[in-house]
Amino acid sequence: GQSLEQPSEVTAVEGAIVQINCTYQTSGFYGLSWYQQHDGGAPTFLSYNALDGLEETGRFSSFLSRSDSYGYLLLQELQMKDSASYFCAVRRIDNFNKFYFGSGTKLNVKP
Amino acid sequence: NAGVTQTPKFQVLKTGQSMTLQCAQDMNHNSMYWYRQDPGMGLRLIYYSASEGTTDKGEVPNGYNVSRLNKREFSLRLESAAPSQTSVYFCASSEMKGYYGYTFGSGTRLTVV
Repeated sequence: GQSLEQPSEVTAVEGAIVQINCTYQTSGFYGLSWYQQHDGGAPTFLSYNALDGLEETGRFSSFLSRSDSYGYLLLQELQMKDSASYFCAVRRIDNFNKFYFGSGTKLNVKP
Repeated sequence: NAGVTQTPKFQVLKTGQSMTLQCAQDMNHNSMYWYRQDPGMGLRLIYYSASEGTTDKGEVPNGYNVSRLNKREFSLRLESAAPSQTSVYFCASSEMKGYYGYTFGSGTRLTVV
């Protein structure tokens, strides 16, 4: 089986930087994805890490440490539109077709 | 550029009724998925189809059946709906080569009374 732990809720101020952590336990770990979901909307893909290190895409970056079974999503220059839920999801080596999602972190951005 | 299209968007069923959720993608993806999302929880995989002609169970398959009709379409059927199946259902597709992430449909909000 597998388990993923994320904080349930994070609050930050517009313009600030926020880090959303994800700790996972799974056999045969292969990669970690991040998704954003606005209330009432569909999840949208943000990033994918299979190797240790930081991947940067505009204001968003994602980090993975395979030895620590840990990853995080870093959001810089926060905007009000970043208020959403963020999910990490693990991919296992025994089945590349399936991702297992965490329960999500609700990010509240305040003015 | 429609992406992944799900129908219907909303549905109310009585306990014991059956229905089929439809999903179609126009991105020529090989893999398609059905997830359910309950309040305060992440997405849980119901069934998936790695390629046309194949289907496999996910984490929570009980009470559901699927059909991969062709490369574009993947349907989810509830044979005898139960209140525990009240949820938001998302269809997704992906191309595993190079991994570019799932593309999700807009969801079906199902209530079973």
